[in-house]
Amino acid sequence: EAGVAQSPRYKIIEKRQSVAFWCNPISGHATLYWYQQILGQGPKLLIQFQNNGVVDDSQLPKDRFSAERLKGVDSTLKIQPAKLEDSAVYLCASSTHRDPNYGYTFGSGTRLTVV
Amino acid sequence: GQSLEQPSEVTAVEGAIVQINCTYQTSGFYGLSWYQQHDGGAPTFLSYNGLDGLEETGRFSSFLSRSDSYGYLLLQELQMKDSASYFCAVGRNYGQNFVFGPGTRLSVLP
Repeated sequence: EAGVAQSPRYKIIEKRQSVAFWCNPISGHATLYWYQQILGQGPKLLIQFQNNGVVDDSQLPKDRFSAERLKGVDSTLKIQPAKLEDSAVYLCASSTHRDPNYGYTFGSGTRLTVV
Repeated sequence: GQSLEQPSEVTAVEGAIVQINCTYQTSGFYGLSWYQQHDGGAPTFLSYNGLDGLEETGRFSSFLSRSDSYGYLLLQELQMKDSASYFCAVGRNYGQNFVFGPGTRLSVLP
C-alpha cells in the first residue's frame, strides 16, 4: 500500500509569512494526526482528526495554526503568521485501527525553516 | 499533564544488547509504544504494550510495568543499521493518541 504522502518536503519562509502543508493519508485510514517535531525532541501532537471531525486539538496554537480535513481524506495544516519558534518538522500520521497495537504510519514530514 | 523520561544517548557495539528505559507520569494511561527514527526519516512503529510483561518481535523486545510506570525497549544482536533515535510514547484517550518522549539516540559502533 502507498504510504502517507506529505508536501512540500522543505519550506523556507520569513517570519510573519504564511505557510501551508498538505497530507494525504493511507487510503481507508480514518484517523489522521499532525505532529510538530523540533530538532532533538520527540513529536508533539498538534491535532487529531477522526474522518472529518476534530478529536483533539488541545495543543494546537489556535491563534496562528489551523487545520482542516474537509472530506475526511487529505488534510491541510496552516500557520499564519509564522514565528521563528515554528521552525520544525511537521509530521502527518494516519491509522486505521482503534487498536493501538497497529501503531501509526508517519509521512516523511515537511521541514519548515522560519528566518 | 504527561511527562516521559528517557536517557538522551546510549552507545553500544555491534552484536551487543542494549536496553532503553522509559519512565512516565500521566493520567489516563492506556499503553506504551516504541518508535524508531533514523536521521531525516519518519518515525516507524516498533511495538506496543497494553498489558504488563514482555512483548518480543524478532531482535526487539518491549516491556511494561504499569505499577512502576516504567517500560523498556531491548535490542539484541545490535547492527549498525540500528543507529537511530528511539521514542517511547504513552497512549491516552483509550489509545487513540500518543504523547511521545524526548527520545534516546542510539549509536552502534563497529
